[in-house]
Amino acid sequence: KAGVTQTPRYLIKTRGQQVTLSCSPISGHRSVSWYQQTPGQGLQFLFEYFSETQRNKGNFPGRFSGRQFSNSRSEMNVSTLELGDSALYLCASSLRTSGGGADTQYFGPGTRLTVL
Amino acid sequence: AQSVTQLGSHVSVSEGALVLLRCNYSSSVPPYLFWYVQYPNQGLQLLLKYTSAATLVKGINGFEAEFKKSETSFHLTKPSAHMSDAAEYFCAVSEKTSYDKVIFGPGTSLSVIP
Repeated sequence: KAGVTQTPRYLIKTRGQQVTLSCSPISGHRSVSWYQQTPGQGLQFLFEYFSETQRNKGNFPGRFSGRQFSNSRSEMNVSTLELGDSALYLCASSLRTSGGGADTQYFGPGTRLTVL
Repeated sequence: AQSVTQLGSHVSVSEGALVLLRCNYSSSVPPYLFWYVQYPNQGLQLLLKYTSAATLVKGINGFEAEFKKSETSFHLTKPSAHMSDAAEYFCAVSEKTSYDKVIFGPGTSLSVIP
């Protein structure tokens, strides 16, 4: 079974631009979560989507948004990029069958975003 | 609010020595607990998880962790370190009612000295 894939793997943008990152979950997984990883802040939860609906959201400004499609693929968008948005963005998928937080999350390799 | 602390941002052990990575959590109720490993330029991989069954949890690659409610701890151990264990390790917590909202600790970088 193929793992979680994220595209692109690397991205360079300039301040003020916007960016869209893509995540394809493991086949059959219906939940997709996004995380931002930086050396200073560590791993921070952005949001989680299930059945095309945002179910959970972290403490990020409205410039960070996402969506999920009917095939469970998810995209994350960041508008008006700032230097501080430079990070590794990780996507994780899970089955979401246990009805709670016990599901194992399977992570993709991440998209490394550099904002100049 | 939940939080996770990992004592020691960097740990060095000799090859063959015991690995001990510390994790403490704060939660109003016993949560689900996880240990993940991240190798350079890769995503995170689950090592093991505690879901209120056995308090001693065995994971992959010879790692195990023990849930101690009285100490609010979930320390990760491995009897004998291998060079391939050098990586970043993250402890994480999730509430039983929270769908996939996982709070990660700051991480511990493990170095293995030959």
